[in-house]
Amino acid sequence: DTEVTQTPKHLVMGMTNKKSLKCEQHMGHRAMYWYKQKAKKPPELMFVYSYEKLSINESVPSRFSPECPNSSLLNLHLHALQPEDSALYLCASSQDPGSEKLFFGSGTQLSVL
Amino acid sequence: AQKITQTQPGMFVQEKEAVTLDCTYDTSDQSYGLFWYKQPSSGEMIFLIYQGSYDEQNATEGRYSLNFQKARKSANLVISASQLGDSAMYFCAMNEHDGNNRLAFGKGNQVVVIP
Repeated sequence: DTEVTQTPKHLVMGMTNKKSLKCEQHMGHRAMYWYKQKAKKPPELMFVYSYEKLSINESVPSRFSPECPNSSLLNLHLHALQPEDSALYLCASSQDPGSEKLFFGSGTQLSVL
Repeated sequence: AQKITQTQPGMFVQEKEAVTLDCTYDTSDQSYGLFWYKQPSSGEMIFLIYQGSYDEQNATEGRYSLNFQKARKSANLVISASQLGDSAMYFCAMNEHDGNNRLAFGKGNQVVVIP
C-alpha cells in the first residue's frame, strides 16, 4: 500500500462551522505533513509531525489545529475559517523526518463561504 | 528570496515528442535534494524523480530524466515520448539538508500534450 488517503475530497463550510480533514497512510511512515495550495500556486507547508509530535508549525493561524492521534493518522481541525482559507489541502508522508521522498494524497478541496 | 525558479509559460507539446522543463535553484548548502512532482487536474502531487546534490549521475526514472548541472544550479526535467496523460502542472522542489524536512516548491510549469 503506497497510498496517502485524504477525506473528504471536497468540503464546503461556513465561517462559523467546525470541520475536520483526515489523512491516513499505512506505509509505516513516521513523518506526516499538511500543505495548503491555492489555485495555480505551489503548495505551502503548514505543519510537520515527526514521530507523532508536532515539529514544525509555519506560523499557521490558530483556526487551523492539527492532530496526530497515531502514526497512521493525521487530522486538521478547522474552526472559524475565512473565505481566503479556501484552497486545496494536501497531506503528505515520508518514511522518517529526514527522508527525502514525500508521498502526497489527492487533497481536500475546501471552500469557505 | 525565491529558492526555486520555474519561468517557462504554459507549454503545448506534440504527443511522442520530448519536452524539457527548466528549473534553477538557489542555495548556499552543499547538501540538498532536488525533486520533480507532477500534479494533474485531480490534485494529487505525484513524485517523479529525485537528484541528490552529491549524485554524480543524472537521475532517470523511465521516461523522466533530470539534467543536473550543479555549477549552474539547474535541474531540468526531460520527459521523453510525451503521452496525453502527461498533461499536468509540473513542480520543481528542493530540500535543503538543514534538519528540517521542508520542500521549497517552484511556481510550476503547465504542460498540455496535444495529439
